[in-house]
Amino acid sequence: AQSVTQPDIHITVSEGASLELRCNYSYGATPYLFWYVQSPGQGLQLLLKYFSGDTLVQGIKGFEAEFKRSQSSFNLRKPSVHWSDAAEYFCAVGGQGQGGKLIFGQGTELSVKP
Amino acid sequence: GAVVSQHPSRVICKSGTSVKIECRSLDFQATTMFWYRQFPKQSLMLMATSNEGSKATYEQGVEKDKFLINHASLTLSTLTVTSAHPEDSSFYICSALGTNGGYSNQPQHFGDGTRLSIL
Repeated sequence: AQSVTQPDIHITVSEGASLELRCNYSYGATPYLFWYVQSPGQGLQLLLKYFSGDTLVQGIKGFEAEFKRSQSSFNLRKPSVHWSDAAEYFCAVGGQGQGGKLIFGQGTELSVKP
Repeated sequence: GAVVSQHPSRVICKSGTSVKIECRSLDFQATTMFWYRQFPKQSLMLMATSNEGSKATYEQGVEKDKFLINHASLTLSTLTVTSAHPEDSSFYICSALGTNGGYSNQPQHFGDGTRLSIL
């Protein structure tokens, strides 16, 4: 079955500390992988995406993610978190022939301590 | 970047009324739009996939007579919640998928959502 798992429901980090949000997927074909961020009461903003090629992907706002096929993971990282990064983060997977449909993880809520 | 406008952002109405939510792609053509429902502190639940000029495809368990979807142009899709009841109160989000030579590896671009409250 196709699925996305974000093991951490809620993470708290101190401002300036590094961040890693975990994402594991189960997908029968070559996955297209995405990370989105959602602020309260807002829609989702695309942070970065992976389709093919270099497995380390750079995104907006200083985020990056690494695709590891052997671990079926696509973890999101940021070297130094800012208070404005507090939000909900969603990992999603799609693929060819799916008409653009995505499967979303449960989300990870990030809190940032001053 | 790609912009998707969703309107209205918030609706409060009485039980039994119908509510229409619009989703527009402002700077690109969207052959496919998606409608999601999101409960508090939860992930997005796909309700239906809307393709321009054809009938929407609904996910299992979603009442198509309750949630009417129309995708009449490449820039506009609408979701109408018919005879809304308090249990329909939720956050509804649309997204749009741009055309790119038929490739499906395009990210979805999301609207800002509509908070629907039925009294």
